[in-house]
Amino acid sequence: DIQMTQSPSSLSASVGDRVTITCQASQDISKDLNWYQQKPGKAPKLLIYDASSLETGVPSRFSGSGSGTHFTFTISSLQPEDTATYYCQHYRNLPITFGQGTRLEIK
Amino acid sequence: QVQLQESGPGLVKPSQTLSLTCTVSGDSISSGSYYWTWIRQPAGKGLEWIGRIYTSGSTDYSSSLRSRVTVSADTSKNQFSLRLSSVTAADTAVYYCARGTRGRSQFDPWGQGTLVTVSS
Repeated sequence: DIQMTQSPSSLSASVGDRVTITCQASQDISKDLNWYQQKPGKAPKLLIYDASSLETGVPSRFSGSGSGTHFTFTISSLQPEDTATYYCQHYRNLPITFGQGTRLEIK
Repeated sequence: QVQLQESGPGLVKPSQTLSLTCTVSGDSISSGSYYWTWIRQPAGKGLEWIGRIYTSGSTDYSSSLRSRVTVSADTSKNQFSLRLSSVTAADTAVYYCARGTRGRSQFDPWGQGTLVTVSS
């Protein structure tokens, strides 16, 4: 199974800050990676697909990059509503696996 | 728009079988562009992919759950289902159904999730 390791596990940042989360795959997954946002008590929401493509309707402050084994997810200017847990997910092969999540809080 | 809704018992006894149904509206589960999938999340923990079914009826399962899980579909009702046998407390989780994009496995949309507790 491909292991997805996110860092940090949690972080706290201020409104307007630039925030970056990394996701490391245990083997080459090309660009077969998606990012999700999950707010408390809610289902995850797709934000980024194919490593860097922004899902329709998602604010442009969210972005993704990377390929191979190293990926980054960035919020260019943190907003209060961005408080959530963020997950990466690969689909290179089966089983599909997720990172352990990064909890983002607003200072 | 496409909506998914999970339904089923919220409490299952140990060693019994967990059964959930996902009802899809706004799209046909016979659509060839997508597949239909189950994902779970224990309280305070991360997401675990369980399995999926294609419109052809073919299925794929998580290697860790394969011996206990079955995903099936009823196209006449536009529903797909999850059965997980021999459950233990470790199977207590919020269970989500979702639509996945063929070849790219983008999960969107998701159901709201349903909590299943395994306890006697």
